[in-house]
Amino acid sequence: EAGVTQFPSHSVIEKGQTVTLRCDPISGHDNLYWYRRVMGKEIKFLLHFVKESKQDESGMPNNRFLAERTGGTYSTLKVQPAELEDSGVYFCASSQKLFTEAFFGQGTRLTVV
Amino acid sequence: EDQVTQSPEALRLQEGESSSLNCSYTVSGLRGLFWYRQDPGKGPEFLFTLYSAGEEKEKERLKATLTKKESFLHITAPKPEDSATYLCAVPGIYNKLIFGAGTRLAVHP
Repeated sequence: EAGVTQFPSHSVIEKGQTVTLRCDPISGHDNLYWYRRVMGKEIKFLLHFVKESKQDESGMPNNRFLAERTGGTYSTLKVQPAELEDSGVYFCASSQKLFTEAFFGQGTRLTVV
Repeated sequence: EDQVTQSPEALRLQEGESSSLNCSYTVSGLRGLFWYRQDPGKGPEFLFTLYSAGEEKEKERLKATLTKKESFLHITAPKPEDSATYLCAVPGIYNKLIFGAGTRLAVHP
């Protein structure tokens, strides 16, 4: 069974540019999450989809971040325009049910210069 | 406020030297506690889920236990391949995971 897949694995962009991260969850997992780890800090929640609907986006830092989940399948996270403080590792995770284990992708390391 | 604290921050062991990692949590209504292992450059890898005080789970050299206030990850006779960062997390409202900062474990031959 394929795990959670994220693209790209690394991205280096200049301040002010746009970047789109993609996540393909485990097939059949309705719950999809985005998390972020910035340098030296713990992993922090960004948002949660149930199928194509946003269940909780309380962790999104500001309106420069836009997440979508097309047809309840893959998800994208767009940062526009990127700022230096957006640098970090962005993880996607999926789970079959609420309050059960979530499985993580390998992450996308974003560097804004 | 929901919170997870892990200790120690870093732990260095000799191969075969057993030890325990601690995860203390404060959450309104525990709906599970998760342990993950993370290797450099990779995403967290799921290890265990514990749901109620007194519950224990085992996998190879690892055993996780849970009380009403904390969880322990016991490592018995560790090997160098057990070196990793071990993360503890609890679900907050709507299942968003609240992570601790992790314990960096280094096991030397």
